Amino acid sequence: SQTIHQWPATLVQPVGSPLSLECTVEGTSNPNLYWYRQAAGRGLQLLFYSVGIGQISSEVPQNLSASRPQDRQFILSSKKLLLSDSGFYLCAWSVYAKETQYFGPGTRLLVL
Amino acid sequence: QKEVEQDPGPLSVPEGAIVSLNCTYSNSAFQYFMWYRQYSRKGPELLMYTYSSGNKEDGRFTAQVDKSSKYISLFIRDSQPSDSATYLCAMSDGSSNTGKLIFGQGTTLQVKP
Repeated sequence: SQTIHQWPATLVQPVGSPLSLECTVEGTSNPNLYWYRQAAGRGLQLLFYSVGIGQISSEVPQNLSASRPQDRQFILSSKKLLLSDSGFYLCAWSVYAKETQYFGPGTRLLVL
Repeated sequence: QKEVEQDPGPLSVPEGAIVSLNCTYSNSAFQYFMWYRQYSRKGPELLMYTYSSGNKEDGRFTAQVDKSSKYISLFIRDSQPSDSATYLCAMSDGSSNTGKLIFGQGTTLQVKP
């Protein structure tokens, strides 16, 4: 069966510090991968998606970036965090070209 | 106008009630419809998946799609306190290989014992 991991679960970072969030998927090959942000009481905002290694598409201009160094690894990064980067970050995967997405447990980020 | 509209609630019902959650959408090309359940501080989990129009039942949950009205519903029978969560609808037209979904804002449901 497939599983998706995210870490860390919770992160408190000062403004201006760098960020690296990691997501890995097990039990499947060549998945589509997604990064979402969810602000408190709000819906899901798609940040990035990837259909293959090294292929990243950005949905929203921001100071975040994403990378996919391996087939089942997806990384969300920032060089300098802003207060507005606080939120709940979710990674998801889907079978290539299929519509159902499966979410990880999320990372709660607080920027102070 | 948003592509997908969902009443954020909160919706509060007594235990045992029938709950109706709804989404409307504007893109007539949508043909894949999903409902996700998200408990507080957790990732969303896929609850129901429906292709095109019609009903799908799974235990106490029924998903209904009316493409002519661009309206989807999730019914929960005999609601339980454990059903208290945020419910997100999602949909896609399936036209690309990206698998991108359009999500509603989510409806928060509270089932009181």
